[in-house]
Amino acid sequence: NAGVTQTPKFRILKIGQSMTLQCTQDMNHNYMYWYRQDPGMGLKLIYYSVGAGITDKGEVPNGYNVSRSTTEDFPLRLELAAPSQTSVYFCASSGGRRNQPQHFGDGTRLSIL
Amino acid sequence: GQQVMQIPQYQHVQEGEDFTTYCNSSTTLSNIQWYKQRPGGHPVFLIQLVKSGEVKKQKRLTFQFGEAKKNSSLHITATQTTDVGTYFCAGDAGGTSYGKLTFGQGTILTVHP
Repeated sequence: NAGVTQTPKFRILKIGQSMTLQCTQDMNHNYMYWYRQDPGMGLKLIYYSVGAGITDKGEVPNGYNVSRSTTEDFPLRLELAAPSQTSVYFCASSGGRRNQPQHFGDGTRLSIL
Repeated sequence: GQQVMQIPQYQHVQEGEDFTTYCNSSTTLSNIQWYKQRPGGHPVFLIQLVKSGEVKKQKRLTFQFGEAKKNSSLHITATQTTDVGTYFCAGDAGGTSYGKLTFGQGTILTVHP
């Protein structure tokens, strides 16, 4: 059982470039989330989705976009990368019923230079 | 918006000593979850507390949820080197939060053998 899979694991981008961080889960979870974690900090919610076709902003959505065309996939798009977006990005999913734990992927470590 | 504060930010202990981290929310929570993140790893769910005044134990770990459902603590008895990592609390406001969690900044635990 793979759980939540994120690709790539590492990436270096130049300022102004764009990229998509991939996230897929095989647990048939309705709810999916994208977080960023800056060094020594907690996790900040970027976007979340409660099901295919439904997404909403979290705490820090500026500079990012998401889509959810299937239950399994929840890609995060960075447009015009900026140094402030250097971070570790985690995708997570949960069963969607009340009081369900979140399952995290291994993360994507992104540097913008 | 909801804020979750966690203290201390760092804790260094000798192996065998006890450890406690505290979590306080600016608003009443539906539930609180605790996660552990090993260095270089991703957050892993430890436990969830739902009821006012709830206390749960997992071997050497004791978790408490305050009577007002605004604070929580994690206590580790007789720490071991395997306890090293960052411990996060995460609050769920409930209602239409769709399982969104607000994470504390985390407490980084170092255990010296």
